[in-house]
Amino acid sequence: GAVVSQHPSRVICKSGTSVKIECRSLDFQATTMFWYRQFPKQSLMLMATSNEGSKATYEQGVEKDKFLINHASLTLSTLTVTSAHPEDSSFYICSAASAGGYNSPLHFGNGTRLTVT
Amino acid sequence: KQEVTQIPAALSVPEGENLVLNCSFTDSAIYNLQWFRQDPGKGLTSLLLIQSSQREQTSGRLNASLDKSSGRSTLYIAASQPGDSATYLCAAQGWNYGQNFVFGPGTRLSVLP
Repeated sequence: GAVVSQHPSRVICKSGTSVKIECRSLDFQATTMFWYRQFPKQSLMLMATSNEGSKATYEQGVEKDKFLINHASLTLSTLTVTSAHPEDSSFYICSAASAGGYNSPLHFGNGTRLTVT
Repeated sequence: KQEVTQIPAALSVPEGENLVLNCSFTDSAIYNLQWFRQDPGKGLTSLLLIQSSQREQTSGRLNASLDKSSGRSTLYIAASQPGDSATYLCAAQGWNYGQNFVFGPGTRLSVLP
């Protein structure tokens, strides 16, 4: 079945540094990828939607200059948390959809646990 | 704007019980309703996906139903086991917001041996 690989699974960084999270579709072309954020004991909240070759669309309240999303190829999207602060510590999950439109299932990565010290 | 809620927020049951988890959504213009399982600190495991034209789906001890007109879905777990302990999330995909899922807050289930 379709697999989405997310890397790294865990990362600890110091405040002020930047962290890059990768989301790869391994056996299909992902025209659209979604990035979610999950705080402890809360549900997943959509941060942004990225389409290959175009700028990401950010949800209200998400700082696009802080959470840089690049979807440069049909198999890779990256989320970079710039100048990370402790409040950015969270669980980030990506999902990917192929070009089949609404009939295409979404496939989720296993998530990245970010801890900013 | 789609809003998804889940009741109860937490549930603790003895092993062997049958249980029902509830999910409600405000926008009935959905094309998929999906149930996921999430273990602590882990990603999502897809359990059942119900398309808008379907009323239920079954997989093993799990059965999910969908009533679009009332904006509800239920996940039925038969003969619960300690290994079923996890957070269960329902999520809706709708015609009004692209392929994105809108997630409910989840139900944290503990099955006691």
